[in-house]
Amino acid sequence: DAMVIQNPRYQVTQFGKPVTLSCSQTLNHNVMYWYQQKSSQAPKLLFHYYDKDFNNEADTPDNFQSRRPNTSFCFLDIRSPGLGDAAMYLCATSGSLGGPSYNEQFFGPGTRLTVL
Amino acid sequence: AQTVTQSQPEMSVQEAETVTLSCTYDTSESDYYLFWYKQPPSRQMILVIRQEAYKQQNATENRFSVNFQKAAKSFSLKISDSQLGDAAMYFCACRSGSARQLTFGSGTQLTVLP
Repeated sequence: DAMVIQNPRYQVTQFGKPVTLSCSQTLNHNVMYWYQQKSSQAPKLLFHYYDKDFNNEADTPDNFQSRRPNTSFCFLDIRSPGLGDAAMYLCATSGSLGGPSYNEQFFGPGTRLTVL
Repeated sequence: AQTVTQSQPEMSVQEAETVTLSCTYDTSESDYYLFWYKQPPSRQMILVIRQEAYKQQNATENRFSVNFQKAAKSFSLKISDSQLGDAAMYFCACRSGSARQLTFGSGTQLTVLP
């Protein structure tokens, strides 16, 4: 089945120690998104890629970076995690403008990040 | 800018009964899309139902249907014959035609009572 995969599902890091979360997709979608979701809150968009075109949200801290080496993979790098960065991180994808899957976002299961 | 408001942080329903979750939105765009997503505990978010703003007919997916009131900017979700597996956080979301980003509401936690 075509899907969005996130690894690892649970990640523990130490305060200030860089961490990378990964997302891969078999949907061949052009757009990939990273969201931060804190407990019982709505997902908050951090940034997204349209192909290799990176789009950062205005209020995303510089501590968060992303890489998309190819269509299938996208990474979220947190350079110096703080206690406030503990959250669920969701990856999502959608298709290209005009395509059948443009109007829907497909979500991965998320990575729960704990910062000690 | 868009806003999406869900005024019911929590709802409960008896199994086999019907429940309606409320959502209001605001957008300056004439072309937009509305969604209801379901996020079960510790499981991934999935799309429940979608409504294109240009369509007058309310979307329906099996036991799930919406009441789309465009003039009132209201987009409620009705779940009929509720099942235990319907228990989840439900998010209403809006995307304008020109944007790729979704704007989410704050969510409604639905409990289904046996």
